[in-house]
Amino acid sequence: DAGVIQSPRHEVTEMGQEVTLRCKPISGHNSLFWYRQTMMRGLELLIYFNNNVPIDDSGMPEDRFSAKMPNASFSTLKIQPSEPRDSAVYFCASRPLDREQFFGPGTRLTVL
Amino acid sequence: GQQVMQIPQYQHVQEGEDFTTYCNSSTTLSNIQWYKQRPGGHPVFLIQLVKSGEVKKQKRLTFQFGEAKKNSSLHITATQTTDVGTYFCAGNYKLTFGKGTLLTVNP
Repeated sequence: DAGVIQSPRHEVTEMGQEVTLRCKPISGHNSLFWYRQTMMRGLELLIYFNNNVPIDDSGMPEDRFSAKMPNASFSTLKIQPSEPRDSAVYFCASRPLDREQFFGPGTRLTVL
Repeated sequence: GQQVMQIPQYQHVQEGEDFTTYCNSSTTLSNIQWYKQRPGGHPVFLIQLVKSGEVKKQKRLTFQFGEAKKNSSLHITATQTTDVGTYFCAGNYKLTFGKGTLLTVNP
């Protein structure tokens, strides 16, 4: 099993540009989570999906952030327009029912 | 909403010393999970505790869940350099993570 796959692994962009982060969860896992990690704020849950349906997006910082899960094997997190304060490592994680989370390697985003 | 606090935020030890990190929740937890993140890596699951007062061991690591299911601890006996990393606790289904405890070990 390849584990959770995230792309790109690194992204450098300029303020105002659109950024799309991608995640392929582990096959058979029914929940998917997007996290943001910074030194100041730690690991923050942005949104999570259950069976492709967004359940809780209260952690999404503002309207510039959006997430979709069109099918069980793919999810995107989009930031439009991006700002320097969005610079962070973004993790995607998936989990089977009532089990532990499996994290992807993360995408390190730098917004200049 | 639910908050999970971890202390200490940082801990530096000499190799061979013991280490403990504590996790406290503002609400009763149905379960708690512990994760370890190596520098530059991603969080990796260590263990889940479900029952009140539960104690689990993994080699040199001992995990406890409080009787009231509002706190938990991770104790490492005789730390090694391979123990370096950030240890996170996370509670309930949504997994609200604490800020973690960064452990550094001096060889």
